[in-house]
Amino acid sequence: DTAVSQTPKYLVTQMGNDKSIKCEQNLGHDTMYWYKQDSKKFLKIMFSYNNKELIINETVPNRFSPKSPDKAHLNLHINSLELGDSAVYFCASSQGTSRVDEQYFGPGTRLTVT
Amino acid sequence: LAKITQPISMDSYEGQEVNITCSHNNIATNDYITWYQQFPSQGPRFIIQGYKTKVTNEVASLFIPADRKSSTLSLPRVSLSDTAVYYCLVGGERYNNNDMRFGAGTRLTVKP
Repeated sequence: DTAVSQTPKYLVTQMGNDKSIKCEQNLGHDTMYWYKQDSKKFLKIMFSYNNKELIINETVPNRFSPKSPDKAHLNLHINSLELGDSAVYFCASSQGTSRVDEQYFGPGTRLTVT
Repeated sequence: LAKITQPISMDSYEGQEVNITCSHNNIATNDYITWYQQFPSQGPRFIIQGYKTKVTNEVASLFIPADRKSSTLSLPRVSLSDTAVYYCLVGGERYNNNDMRFGAGTRLTVKP
């Protein structure tokens, strides 16, 4: 069983489109995250979310929005896609609400904006 | 905020001990140090975490000096399968915007 899964694995789209990436965790964790990894392999946190609190990295454009239908899912919506949004996006989860908790990462979604 | 620096790459041979050092001069009092391993086309995987002194688990050791301005991940007797990118993460229990940050990663290549 996959602990943290993401769909799709690859996403190719044109500038200006709106797209979503889905994430599900079956670990019963309380906190989920979204990360962006650029072409130079820099990892940057975008959001962390539990059922009480959404914390947004202030550098993330408001075109990006996380949406959580329930504790096991945290989807990432991106509006008006830009070339610079091309990257690999990772979803992760951790057991508690402390961010020093071990994080379990999904396999990533490679987004290419043309 | 802690600025995180680590070597871009390192080479080693099978059976050797590998030490990867991460510098975090501005580490805050409540920051922890965590190391993750990433293989190509996969998400990062937790290796070890510490706050001070030494932590050891079944795969690695983490050495943190008293001033906590650096940390060293030690991999004993590496094998070819340890070839990966290793990330140092510094952050506190209370997340606030940019206060949880990864280093740029160290690409470790283990040769036969």
